[in-house]
Amino acid sequence: DAKTTQPPSMDCAEGRAANLPCNHSTISGNEYVYWYRQIHSQGPQYIIHGLKNNETNEMASLIITEDRKSSTLILPHATLRDTAVYYCIVRVGHTGNQFYFGTGTSLTVIP
Amino acid sequence: SAVISQKPSRDICQRGTSLTIQCQVDSQVTMMFWYRQQPGQSLTLIATANQGSEATYESGFVIDKFPISRPNLTFSTLTVSNMSPEDSSIYLCSVGEGGYGYTFGSGTRLTVV
Repeated sequence: DAKTTQPPSMDCAEGRAANLPCNHSTISGNEYVYWYRQIHSQGPQYIIHGLKNNETNEMASLIITEDRKSSTLILPHATLRDTAVYYCIVRVGHTGNQFYFGTGTSLTVIP
Repeated sequence: SAVISQKPSRDICQRGTSLTIQCQVDSQVTMMFWYRQQPGQSLTLIATANQGSEATYESGFVIDKFPISRPNLTFSTLTVSNMSPEDSSIYLCSVGEGGYGYTFGSGTRLTVV
C-alpha cells in the first residue's frame, strides 16, 4: 500500500518555481523517497530520490525535512512541458525492490 | 538507462479472448515488473517477472488471469486472459538494473469490447 499523501492537483505559472509537497509520516529509517512523473499517455519517468539529505539534479531539487516525515519536490523554472502527474513514493532500500505508486499530484503549468 | 520496446502499443479485443503483451529491453536487466493503469487511476503493480522461475504476483492478481513469462534477461511477456471490459487499461513494463531510477515502457493501451 502507498505510504504517501499528496495534494490531488496544483497549478503553477510558467517560469515560476513549482513546489510539490508530499507527506510520508510513517517512513522508516531504511526507506528512500523517490519522485516520478507521468506525462499524458507516456510511462512514468524517474526524477530524483533521496534518503535524508537534500538532493539536486538537472531536473529538480528534493528537500526532505529533518524528521523525514515530509518532502518537497521543486521544479525551479516550470515550463508547459512539466505539466504531468507527479508521484512521491517511499521504498525500502535503493535497489531490487518494487515501486508502489500512490495517487500523485496533477500539476498544470499555466502560460 | 535501458530502452524498452513494448508491443502492441494498443489493441481492441473481444471479451473472452486473450492478449499477449511483449516487453523487449535493449540490455540485460535484473528486475522486470508489470503494472496496470486503469482509466484515470494511478499505477498498480501486477507482478515481478523472475528470470527462469515463476513470477511473483501482488495481492489481487493471479497467474491464471495474468500469466507471465521471462525466458531471458531482456524479454518478458504478460498475457491478459479471458478478457472482460474491466480489463481495459494501460499495461506497462518496467525494468531496473539495481540502480535507483527504474525505466518504464510507453505502455499497451487495451480496450475490451
